[in-house]
Amino acid sequence: KNQVEQSPQSLIILEGKNCTLQCNYTVSPFSNLRWYKQDTGRGPVSLTIMTFSENTKSNGRYTATLDADTKQSSLHITASQLSDSASYICVVSSGGGNKLTFGTGTQLKVEL
Amino acid sequence: NAGVTQTPKFQVLKTGQSMTLQCAQDMNHNSMYWYRQDPGMGLRLIYYSASEGTTDKGEVPNGYNVSRLNKREFSLRLESAAPSQTSVYFCASSERVRDSPSYEQYFGPGTRLTVT
Repeated sequence: KNQVEQSPQSLIILEGKNCTLQCNYTVSPFSNLRWYKQDTGRGPVSLTIMTFSENTKSNGRYTATLDADTKQSSLHITASQLSDSASYICVVSSGGGNKLTFGTGTQLKVEL
Repeated sequence: NAGVTQTPKFQVLKTGQSMTLQCAQDMNHNSMYWYRQDPGMGLRLIYYSASEGTTDKGEVPNGYNVSRLNKREFSLRLESAAPSQTSVYFCASSERVRDSPSYEQYFGPGTRLTVT
């Protein structure tokens, strides 16, 4: 069964600090890996999409990495801001690319 | 563009009642989806529609029906609501990412449904 596991489950950091969120997956066949940000009470919003051949992708202060050999990904947030407080969800797509397996998310809280 | 819109935002039903969740997108996307999100679980696909006139079951279709009314609209119907259907429901639509084989999904704001 396809699975996506994320760690940590939750994280609290001070504003301005960096953090890294982890994602391990067992999804086959692999098509691409995405990171979404979900604010409380909102729908998920895409941050990055990486295919098999991409090792890293950035979107502003967000940098995602992918190691397709070990089936691991990370999302690094630089110089965190209060607005980064949200759930970050790792999603792996398989088959034709439209079938998604969602992780349960890492709940990030950025405090003053 | 409004993107993906959903109505209602909140709903409380009694067990056995029926209701339809509405979803519309103004991005001219072919594919649309219905997911549910429960605490401690990832989003799970209920039904999807690859194009107007077609619908397919996802991971958790039992207790639901869908209608792809036209290219813009994709509705989800609960014929006889059960407490196990208490959840947050998200509609999404997708398009191919430029210069990539990947499809990007755009989500609506969700409908929070409680069944008592």
